[in-house]
Amino acid sequence: AQTVTQSQPEMSVQEAETVTLSCTYDTSESDYYLFWYKQPPSRQMILVIRQEAYKQQNATENRFSVNFQKAAKSFSLKISDSQLGDAAMYFCAYRKYNNNDMRFGAGTRLTVKP
Amino acid sequence: DAGVTQSPTHLIKTRGQQVTLRCSPKSGHDTVSWYQQALGQGPQFIFQYYEEEERQRGNFPDRFSGHQFPNYSSELNVNALLLGDSALYLCASSSEEPATDTQYFGPGTRLTVL
Repeated sequence: AQTVTQSQPEMSVQEAETVTLSCTYDTSESDYYLFWYKQPPSRQMILVIRQEAYKQQNATENRFSVNFQKAAKSFSLKISDSQLGDAAMYFCAYRKYNNNDMRFGAGTRLTVKP
Repeated sequence: DAGVTQSPTHLIKTRGQQVTLRCSPKSGHDTVSWYQQALGQGPQFIFQYYEEEERQRGNFPDRFSGHQFPNYSSELNVNALLLGDSALYLCASSSEEPATDTQYFGPGTRLTVL
């Protein structure tokens, strides 16, 4: 079974600084997708960034980037120049290729201090 | 461009009752997935509907059932409610044509079972 582990229940960062959220996953598959979703207090899950396992290049979306280490089964999210609006729960998720069951980690609560 | 919408926002039921939750997918999407998110946890996959049929199901009992309509909207039905069914229920939509591997989430329905 595929499982996703987020070892940091809570993280805190100063505004304008950089923070890295950790995620590891367990799978025997070679083709899969990885995602980071953000869930603010409004509850709506918002896609932050996605990565296809077959791509060696790390995905980047503006201030958000990932460090994808396939052999280590690690998928961390780096947030640069943190903003107050980045405060939220962040969920790492895994989905096997051609499978619709997306597995989520337990989440990391990010606090941004002004 | 309308995003994923869900109704109602909140719902309170008593044990043994039945509930129906509704979801309208993002414009252009034809696939709907449902997730249950218990307090303090990541979402868990319930099932996915495509072409008005349940295409894949997670580890949930038969008390959880669904339906998809010709306009791609979907319902989640839960019978014989248990206290443990209290959770945030999230709907997510995606597209088969053209295929997108990313699911877009609605704001959720908060179900409380007393």
